[in-house]
Amino acid sequence: NAGVTQTPKFRVLKTGQSMTLLCAQDMNHEYMYWYRQDPGMGLRLIHYSVGEGTTAKGEVPDGYNVSRLKKQNFLLGLESAAPSQTSVYFCASSYEAGGLVDEQFFGPGTRLTVL
Amino acid sequence: QKEVEQDPGPLSVPEGAIVSLNCTYSNSAFQYFMWYRQYSRKGPELLMYTYSSGNKEDGRFTAQVDKSSKYISLFIRDSQPSDSATYLCAMSANDYKLSFGAGTTVTVRA
Repeated sequence: NAGVTQTPKFRVLKTGQSMTLLCAQDMNHEYMYWYRQDPGMGLRLIHYSVGEGTTAKGEVPDGYNVSRLKKQNFLLGLESAAPSQTSVYFCASSYEAGGLVDEQFFGPGTRLTVL
Repeated sequence: QKEVEQDPGPLSVPEGAIVSLNCTYSNSAFQYFMWYRQYSRKGPELLMYTYSSGNKEDGRFTAQVDKSSKYISLFIRDSQPSDSATYLCAMSANDYKLSFGAGTTVTVRA
């Protein structure tokens, strides 16, 4: 049982390049999330999904797109990377707990640097 | 102003000391309160979970919620070097999205 995995672990991009971060979970969770973590800012929600085929904007969605074509995978895309997107990106997932808030399980993170 | 405020520290204590961490918040709709622990270069993991007001104890860890003051606390008794980490408070209203504090970095000196 691997939990939540993220690929790649590290990446360096040049301004204007594009990339996709992949998140996979093997816990059959309905909900999945993408966060970014910056010094002094905590974790900020970028986009989230409440089920296969659905996505929604979080707190800081600009410059990012997401897709959830399969229940176990949640992709985060950067179409034209900017230095402001240098950050550590975390994916998380949680159960659909019948309207209750459940624990979020986090992946190990992807460290992205945009030059 | 942020919805959840947390002093980023850093906090350095000797082994065996009591560590006291806290967060304040502005959204009175928050009902679910969590503390996550994050080791260096790792993802956060859930440490404590409290619903509504009151205290919860788990081994050396105690979480307190005071909704009237919009204030939550985490206490770590008999702290160990293995407790050195960043502690993030997180809270939610009646949905699945969490609002996180900035995190407090704690170092326990042997």
